[in-house]
Amino acid sequence: QQPVQSPQAVILREGEDAVINCSSSKALYSVHWYRQKHGEAPIFLMILLKGGEQKGHDKISASFNEKKQQSSLYLTASQLSYSGTYFCGAINTGNQFYFGTGTSLTVIP
Amino acid sequence: DTGVSQNPRHKITKRGQNVTFRCDPISEHNRLYWYRQTLGQGPEFLTYFQNEAQLEKSRLLSDRFSAERPKGSFSTLEIQRTEQGDSAMYLCASSPDLQPQHFGDGTRLSIL
Repeated sequence: QQPVQSPQAVILREGEDAVINCSSSKALYSVHWYRQKHGEAPIFLMILLKGGEQKGHDKISASFNEKKQQSSLYLTASQLSYSGTYFCGAINTGNQFYFGTGTSLTVIP
Repeated sequence: DTGVSQNPRHKITKRGQNVTFRCDPISEHNRLYWYRQTLGQGPEFLTYFQNEAQLEKSRLLSDRFSAERPKGSFSTLEIQRTEQGDSAMYLCASSPDLQPQHFGDGTRLSIL
């Protein structure tokens, strides 16, 4: 039931763009995105509540395709501070919140 | 808003002992979640409360685990007869309904 993320890991140079995908075999009713740095708690990035919704702030945005049960996170002009592990998360029909498999993102100078 | 607070930050105990963790959520948040996270993995859902009602429990939550939120404010997670496999970071999060979850810094449990 855990959403699957791709890629598992990515290394970027500062200023490059990245896309992280989140795919579920079950219906998604909302999608959350979090970033976790090593040794720290996850930090909320954004939530998408409806299919077709797109959101963004700064240079990080996301989209949610409810029909395809997918969401994507877009990071543009990456900064060193973007490094960390990104998780999507979703609530299933049983009201349990599942985090995705995670994507490790490393931004190098 | 003082954030989600978890205590203790670290707990080291011998196998077979009982441990209890506490989580103080953000005061106006009615939802409270417990997760377990091991190295290199994402947080795994354990259980959640809406106010004082425990609405969902994961199958990961064996009979040795119990959680309470007696007055709809702070919550405790107790693990009885701890086993090596219980070693993990235990995270608590709170949210107002289906809104972003705010995480505490977690309690790291080490079983000797």
